[in-house]
Amino acid sequence: DIQMTQSPSSLSASVGDRVTITCRASQGISNYLAWYQQKPGKVPKLLIYAASTLQSGVPSRFSGSGSGTDFTLTISSLQPEDVATYYCQKYNSAPCTFGQGTKVEIK
Amino acid sequence: EVQLVESGGGLVKPGGSLRLSCAASGFTFSSYSMNWVRQAPGKGLEWVSSISSSSSYIYYADSVKGRFTISRDNAKNSLYLQMNSLRAEDTAVYYCARGPNGKTLYYFDYWGQGTLVTVSS
Repeated sequence: DIQMTQSPSSLSASVGDRVTITCRASQGISNYLAWYQQKPGKVPKLLIYAASTLQSGVPSRFSGSGSGTDFTLTISSLQPEDVATYYCQKYNSAPCTFGQGTKVEIK
Repeated sequence: EVQLVESGGGLVKPGGSLRLSCAASGFTFSSYSMNWVRQAPGKGLEWVSSISSSSSYIYYADSVKGRFTISRDNAKNSLYLQMNSLRAEDTAVYYCARGPNGKTLYYFDYWGQGTLVTVSS
């Protein structure tokens, strides 16, 4: 099975900072990658699919890139409401594995 | 408005069974694939199972294969997860999640609030 590895596991940044989270697949998955945001005590929310397509209603400060094995989620200007755990998920084939998550906090 | 409401969670002894339900509304249920995703307390997300819109395609995580059965009733706008031979490691919040179309193995665009399953003696 393809493994999904996120880095870092956690990060602390200041409001307004540019934040980048990386997701690496153990084998190529083309662009079959999604990103989710899960705020504390809340349900996961789809941010990005097809590696770089922003889900409707998601703020434009979120962006995704990558193809094959290496992907990134970027928050261009971190806001207090972005405190959450972020997960990548591959969906090219079963199992639809999630990364282990990246916890983002405000410094 | 898309709504997914899970039910059926609770406390069950190891080796026991439980059936989860997910009631869908606000969209044409029969046109979309559906999924179960779980999250153990304090842990990350784990995909459990997917079913296509017509039930023609079904997939399971290895961790539940042979013990869990996903099904749907399009006439009742409902998704189910029959869980047998439950283990302590199955303890988690179980989310019902919708795929973006009728095919399986996609991302999940809407999620329910989840139902907690606790397996303990």
